[in-house]
Amino acid sequence: AAGVIQSPRHLIKEKRETATLKCYPIPRHDTVYWYQQGPGQDPQFLISFYEKMQSDKGSIPDRFSAQQFSDYHSELNMSSLELGDSALYFCASSLASLPTEAFFGQGTRLTVV
Amino acid sequence: AQSVTQLDSQVPVFEEAPVELRCNYSSSVSVYLFWYVQYPNQGLQLLLKYLSGSTLVKGINGFEAEFNKSQTSFHLRKPSVHISDTAEYFCAGTSGGSYIPTFGRGTSLIVHP
Repeated sequence: AAGVIQSPRHLIKEKRETATLKCYPIPRHDTVYWYQQGPGQDPQFLISFYEKMQSDKGSIPDRFSAQQFSDYHSELNMSSLELGDSALYFCASSLASLPTEAFFGQGTRLTVV
Repeated sequence: AQSVTQLDSQVPVFEEAPVELRCNYSSSVSVYLFWYVQYPNQGLQLLLKYLSGSTLVKGINGFEAEFNKSQTSFHLRKPSVHISDTAEYFCAGTSGGSYIPTFGRGTSLIVHP
């Protein structure tokens, strides 16, 4: 079965650069969630989208933005990168009608040097 | 908002021994609870979930968990662990109409031969 696809799997950026992470949800899933997991930390919710509209907002820095496109894929844009942004970024998707069935991607590991 | 507490950061155990990973939740309102497993450099995989009904929930890979309302706990158990169970385990919960899981700090299960 198709799973949540995230790209790239690994990304290395320098301080103050920008990064774009992509998430392709499971087909027919209309809801996407983004999480950030710092080294040795629990995943922290950043933001979610339903039907291309932001549905919930967590601890997402102002330097980050995200959107969901008409094909339901989502992109997380990160600007003015800081060393502390180094983390594993997870995307999850679900059907709004089955919100407790969230499936996670394998994550994008971002390293800021 | 829901919060979950994982009482042990690390649990070492020998192969074929039983194991219990502890999780307590905070909310007094209707709650959904989950256990996820994260293998090294992998995404989060859902082990099991409690939504309602039977308090004993069976999941994949021989794991089960019991929802205990009086003790506000949702401990994960396995009667006999394998080396391949070595991973990070996250308890997560939602409550109050939000379907965004809040994660605990994680418990590192280390299975020794």
